[in-house]
Amino acid sequence: DAKTTQPTSMDCAEGRAANLPCNHSTISGNEYVYWYRQIHSQGPQYIIHGLKNNETNEMASLIITEDRKSSTLILPHATLRDTAVYYCIVYAGGTSYGKLTFGQGTILTVHP
Amino acid sequence: GAGVSQSPSNKVTEKGKDVELRCDPISGHTALYWYRQSLGQGLEFLIYFQGNSAPDKSGLPSDRFSAERTGGSVSTLTIQRTQQEDSAVYLCASSYGTLNEQFFGPGTRLTVL
Repeated sequence: DAKTTQPTSMDCAEGRAANLPCNHSTISGNEYVYWYRQIHSQGPQYIIHGLKNNETNEMASLIITEDRKSSTLILPHATLRDTAVYYCIVYAGGTSYGKLTFGQGTILTVHP
Repeated sequence: GAGVSQSPSNKVTEKGKDVELRCDPISGHTALYWYRQSLGQGLEFLIYFQGNSAPDKSGLPSDRFSAERTGGSVSTLTIQRTQQEDSAVYLCASSYGTLNEQFFGPGTRLTVL
């Protein structure tokens, strides 16, 4: 799987949008971009995934650049409960069945 | 509906003892995964089961680690002759298909004294 690069930490004010970047410059054509988050002392939680089109669900939006070398996860109105470690993962299924490779992620701190 | 459950939630054992960790996946999910997370570290893939296919054991760190999945549902991760470096949170996840989201359990915190 392609390696991803994320900032170590970010801050965001409550109620504002949190924009978390991820670089995946070596992504292959069949690899999806997945985002998970892990709130302290809990198991990871799926947020969203996409291949090349932008995606939106009830939790977040995912913006993928046209060349697919980077993406941004957007939490439109961050709350204190969004404080967590956010992981950007590229994953193809197929020969890497199940092998989500979690890096160090971005520690997002939402403050009042 | 019920999510992924794991037991025990905490396990303290002495070095050299064997431990068994249990995972109950979401009903109907065909894929089951084990990961571990050492203190302050990211998640490390251990093993993956998909339906009746042979499991992918490529992430198991040593032959002291083994896992089985009975009847395509419940899974047990066994660590023999535990070592202090085995101390970690062991997480189980399940999904319906490999490209679908993985639902994680709360984990088992293993402490080897």
